[in-house]
Amino acid sequence: SAVISQKPSRDICQRGTSLTIQCQVDSQVTMMFWYRQQPGQSLTLIATANQGSEATYESGFVIDKFPISRPNLTFSTLTVSNMSPEDSSIYLCSVVAGSNEKLFFGSGTQLSVL
Amino acid sequence: SQQGEEDPQALSIQEGENATMNCSYKTSINNLQWYRQNSGRGLVHLILIRSNEREKHSGRLRVTLDTSKKSSSLLITASRAADTASYFCATDADANSGYALNFGKGTSLLVTP
Repeated sequence: SAVISQKPSRDICQRGTSLTIQCQVDSQVTMMFWYRQQPGQSLTLIATANQGSEATYESGFVIDKFPISRPNLTFSTLTVSNMSPEDSSIYLCSVVAGSNEKLFFGSGTQLSVL
Repeated sequence: SQQGEEDPQALSIQEGENATMNCSYKTSINNLQWYRQNSGRGLVHLILIRSNEREKHSGRLRVTLDTSKKSSSLLITASRAADTASYFCATDADANSGYALNFGKGTSLLVTP
């Protein structure tokens, strides 16, 4: 199993600013995943972050808007840049721990952009 | 990428009743998983069923998988108010995404006392 500490848990931000979300895992993991959940919607994968290489972004998401850092095997950050109200969502980090195929999730960051 | 589709979108039942949620997906899978989300927070894994399995149990949960119909169901028996949450099915994505999953739209379950 894996325990993920994600922060901040929520934030209210002004249009045009940026927010960095942090995820700390209690064990070393190869891949970390960042998801977005828009209000009332399902989860959409933003990118996969591997340590030591650039993140792999899904269609519709770009590095300039969602830069990701993965400095070591237990930590990652996602920045939501130049925010607009359309970025208001829950952002979730997740990992696969060990050989198990199930995902473990952070508690999420609820972002509201005014 | 494929994505599961759950139905119903919302379900309201009374405590003690059973709740059944269904999920359909589009392409072949290695496994299908069900997750629970309370109040828009982090998801919690409930159960995983592999493509060569037809049924799996975990406590009050029962999951079935029909690969010929590309569908799965989650049954929660003897529901409790604490079961109120959103439930998502998830299927393994393509190899490029590693273990990343594709999530369905979810079923919002309300269990009233």
